[in-house]
Amino acid sequence: GQQVMQIPQYQHVQEGEDFTTYCNSSTTLSNIQWYKQRPGGHPVFLIQLVKSGEVKKQKRLTFQFGEAKKNSSLHITATQTTDVGTYFCVGSGYALNFGKGTSLLVTP
Amino acid sequence: NAGVTQTPKFQVLKTGQSMTLQCAQDMNHEYMSWYRQDPGMGLRLIHYSVGAGITDQGEVPNGYNVSRSTTEDFPLRLLSAAPSQTSVYFCASRTVNTDTQYFGPGTRLTVL
Repeated sequence: GQQVMQIPQYQHVQEGEDFTTYCNSSTTLSNIQWYKQRPGGHPVFLIQLVKSGEVKKQKRLTFQFGEAKKNSSLHITATQTTDVGTYFCVGSGYALNFGKGTSLLVTP
Repeated sequence: NAGVTQTPKFQVLKTGQSMTLQCAQDMNHEYMSWYRQDPGMGLRLIHYSVGAGITDQGEVPNGYNVSRSTTEDFPLRLLSAAPSQTSVYFCASRTVNTDTQYFGPGTRLTVL
């Protein structure tokens, strides 16, 4: 599968602050997917981006796919304690490599 | 549909013991994968299968065997467990037409 690097690995914010995680690939991605894993849970699919420059929103979450289809970002506006978890971005391929993701901790 | 199911949920083994982690899906998905998750290491791909009778190695295959005799089942075998295999194991499946994966609830394995 297509490899992507994700930063930061950890982020600790106060509730109400914004949060962004970034993914970068050295090669052009066919698509990119985002997953969320709550503590003690399993990864759950959030969204897939396919088109160059695509922007999708899910309530307070905004997902972007770069114009060159080599990078992507997830932005959370006004974080809440329910946003706690690890967020993974995944490129496409037969073998989907998840990597380390970004672990978000939100303090009330 | 039950989705992706995994058994057992918890398991404790002694070094050298063997066991099989079970994974089944009822969504008629062609692709199935096994991952392990360790603190600070993220999700690492162990083995995957693109259909019955076809398997391939992922990032960390050593110490694990798989087979895919049916579309529904994808068991993961540990022939001789080692403490380094203490981890949480996730099975996932998806169709050939999409990269969207559905995960099972995981098996928490401890090897003493």
